Amino acid sequence: AQRVTQPEKLLSVFKGAPVELKCNYSYSGSPELFWYVQYSRQRLQLLLRHISRESIKGFTADLNKGETSFHLKKPFAQEEDSAMYYCALREYGNKLVFGAGTILRVKS
Amino acid sequence: DAGVIQSPRHEVTEMGQEVTLRCKPISGHNSLFWYRQTMMRGLELLIYFNNNVPIDDSGMPEDRFSAKMPNASFSTLKIQPSEPRDSAVYFCASSPPGQSNQPQHFGDGTRLSIL
Repeated sequence: AQRVTQPEKLLSVFKGAPVELKCNYSYSGSPELFWYVQYSRQRLQLLLRHISRESIKGFTADLNKGETSFHLKKPFAQEEDSAMYYCALREYGNKLVFGAGTILRVKS
Repeated sequence: DAGVIQSPRHEVTEMGQEVTLRCKPISGHNSLFWYRQTMMRGLELLIYFNNNVPIDDSGMPEDRFSAKMPNASFSTLKIQPSEPRDSAVYFCASSPPGQSNQPQHFGDGTRLSIL
């Protein structure tokens, strides 16, 4: 079965420090991966997708097929980045498999 | 656009009672998803509809759970009878037709507490 693993339930960093939210996947085909984010009192929303190779709010994520990883990175964390982050894998059609999520807390 | 609309926002009820959660997807979207969010298991897909037809219900935990989509603008998730372990936040999401890489748009969720 396809799986998405986010090993950290909580990641706490200081403002200005680099951030890396880990995501590993298992998938037999060519994977499509996404990061979704849920800010406090807001809806879960798409942050970025690997096929777009984009940087959103300073975040980037590179698909590493050798390591089966799609870690989310930002060089300098900001307090407004504090949120719940979900890594997701497209299984087929529009169906996504989500990881368990990581809470990011950025301290001042 | 109000986005995906879920009701109620909060539900507290006693075990054994029937619970019905409601979802109105974004107009024009043809895929609808029901998810359950818990601290232990994260976000789990319960069921996925495409053009009002259930495509994948492998995530529905047991027969106590059922979901319907009678038309393109409305879906329900029903739990009967409810149990304390069903307590969670239930999200509905929808996505538009087109290529398979369309993002999912989530509602605010229903926070369900079964006493």
